[in-house]
Amino acid sequence: SAVISQKPSRDICQRGTSLTIQCQVDSQVTMMFWYRQQPGQSLTLIATANQGSEATYESGFVIDKFPISRPNLTFSTLTVSNMSPEDSSIYLCSVSSGGETQYFGPGTRLLVL
Amino acid sequence: GEDVEQSLFLSVREGDSSVINCTYTDSSSTYLYWYKQEPGAGLQLLTYIFSNMDMKQDQRLTVLLNKKDKHLSLRIADTQTGDSAIYFCAEKIPRGSTLGRLYFGRGTQLTVWP
Repeated sequence: SAVISQKPSRDICQRGTSLTIQCQVDSQVTMMFWYRQQPGQSLTLIATANQGSEATYESGFVIDKFPISRPNLTFSTLTVSNMSPEDSSIYLCSVSSGGETQYFGPGTRLLVL
Repeated sequence: GEDVEQSLFLSVREGDSSVINCTYTDSSSTYLYWYKQEPGAGLQLLTYIFSNMDMKQDQRLTVLLNKKDKHLSLRIADTQTGDSAIYFCAEKIPRGSTLGRLYFGRGTQLTVWP
């Protein structure tokens, strides 16, 4: 299975600021995804990070709020822009190589004050 | 639709078996998954089952799939206190030209009492 790391592991931010979360995988993967897990809730897919092209966003998520980069097959970033307390969540990076398995990183715990 | 439902809480005594249940609505699911999330951690893939199978066993874990009723269960034998965690059920649904995306339930908090 892929080993996935995320930075930062947690952060406390002021409203109106932005935070960039990094996701690094120890091997090349086909697909990289970003999820949000709000307190007590299920996981919601934000977008699929595409290498060399714009990310594919799910309904309810837009590029201006959640810009994503994926410069290569092992790395992606998610930025949470102009944060509000409602953005307080766990943000999870996930990867798949196109088969049946999908793995998750340890998550970034974000608190917006 | 892509609704995945799970009961929110389950408590068992150490040494007993745990059974976590999940129902889903989309019959086009290709794979169904169980993930475990311990406090402060990400999701760990526990096991998964192809939609054409009805059972899969992996050491203490047994997955049962009733495709007709769209019901998935995870049985943990000889449950230990280290099994205390949130267990997420997920289904993969094909989408367009891709292999599909995952839809998750809200998770079942398993508490194991010594």
